[in-house]
Amino acid sequence: GAGVSQTPSNKVTEKGKYVELRCDPISGHTALYWYRQSLGQGPEFLIYFQGTGAADDSGLPNDRFFAVRPEGSVSTLKIQRTERGDSAVYLCASSVRGAVVAGQHYEQYFGPGTRLTVT
Amino acid sequence: AQSVTQLDSHVSVSEGTPVLLRCNYSSSYSPSLFWYVQHPNKGLQLLLKYTSAATLVKGINGFEAEFKKSETSFHLTKPSAHMSDAAEYFCVVSVMDSNYQLIWGAGTKLIIKP
Repeated sequence: GAGVSQTPSNKVTEKGKYVELRCDPISGHTALYWYRQSLGQGPEFLIYFQGTGAADDSGLPNDRFFAVRPEGSVSTLKIQRTERGDSAVYLCASSVRGAVVAGQHYEQYFGPGTRLTVT
Repeated sequence: AQSVTQLDSHVSVSEGTPVLLRCNYSSSYSPSLFWYVQHPNKGLQLLLKYTSAATLVKGINGFEAEFKKSETSFHLTKPSAHMSDAAEYFCVVSVMDSNYQLIWGAGTKLIIKP
């Protein structure tokens, strides 16, 4: 079946511009996650959705970053007034559900990422 | 607080020889531990996970890892490397009291020499 897809695969934008990054999770997965991965580092958690609501947005670096998932499926990560420091690969993942209890982790399936370059 | 350290940024082995990727963790409780692999231009894929059952965990593509509490280690091994194993490998630890938050190591790039 289809995996997690992300569009665009690459995005180059000028400093100060607005960008939107899209994630299509695996059909039926209720949990969706956004991560940011800088060169030479592991992914950094940004936000977690359970259904349509953001259950945890503590990883968003500042108020220029915002994400939505209006129908509980596709999600869009929005970055306003982009800065050169925002350049990174933005990863999306989905899982069957967010686990009910701590210590119970459902496998997160990752998309190929969107490489964002801010010039 | 939990943390994870991958001891080597790069590991180079010849095809057909054993692979060892080292990972040490720090946690005040018994965590869940994972290894993910990332091939170029592809999504991260779960190799294996430890969740307090058997300490020797077998994963996909012939990889396995052993949880050693006394050494706070979770090293990844494979008896014989294949060219297709060339990729970036991440050791990951679960966050205490969370059912989704993960702490990622910086990654180890595995290079396979023909």
